[in-house]
Amino acid sequence: GQSLEQPSEVTAVEGAIVQINCTYQTSGFYGLSWYQQHDGGAPTFLSYNALDGLEETGRFSSFLSRSDSYGYLLLQELQMKDSASYFCAVRETDSWGKLQFGAGTQVVVTP
Amino acid sequence: DGGITQSPKYLFRKEGQNVTLSCEQNLNHDAMYWYRQDPGQGLRLIYYSQIVNDFQKGDIAEGYSVSREKKESFPLTVTSAQKNPTAFYLCASSPGITGELFFGEGSRLTVL
Repeated sequence: GQSLEQPSEVTAVEGAIVQINCTYQTSGFYGLSWYQQHDGGAPTFLSYNALDGLEETGRFSSFLSRSDSYGYLLLQELQMKDSASYFCAVRETDSWGKLQFGAGTQVVVTP
Repeated sequence: DGGITQSPKYLFRKEGQNVTLSCEQNLNHDAMYWYRQDPGQGLRLIYYSQIVNDFQKGDIAEGYSVSREKKESFPLTVTSAQKNPTAFYLCASSPGITGELFFGEGSRLTVL
């Protein structure tokens, strides 16, 4: 089994940088993913880390450290449209196909 | 355009009734999934299917049933055995073992 923990809410102003941490407990997994979900909408894929290190996609970056059982999503140059929930997720190696999600972090961007 | 279509978007049902939520994808993905989301909560896996005519229970399968007779279709039936079915239901597909999930727009079920 596995569990993923992330903060429930983060508030920041426009232009700021936000880091959303995700700690996990799992016996083995293929990689750590991040998804964004606006209120009432469907989750959309943001990034995927199969290996340790930093992956950068525009204003968003994601990091994974398997030795520390830890990852994070970094949102830079925050914009109002970044107000949403962000979920980390893992796909375990012993249960192919099961992508398990954390409870999500609500990011609130203020003017 | 390729994507995942869920229907209906909104559904009301009376207690004791079964209801089937449709999920169709034209992305040619092998794997399909059903998740349930309650207000302010994460996504919980109900059922998933890696290939046609095969599916596996997720973490909260009780009170739900699925079928996978065609690659592009993965309908979910919420049965009367599901004690608290009011929720937002999300269908997704992925191309492979590490592929990203593509989600439909969701079906919001309310039991009256």
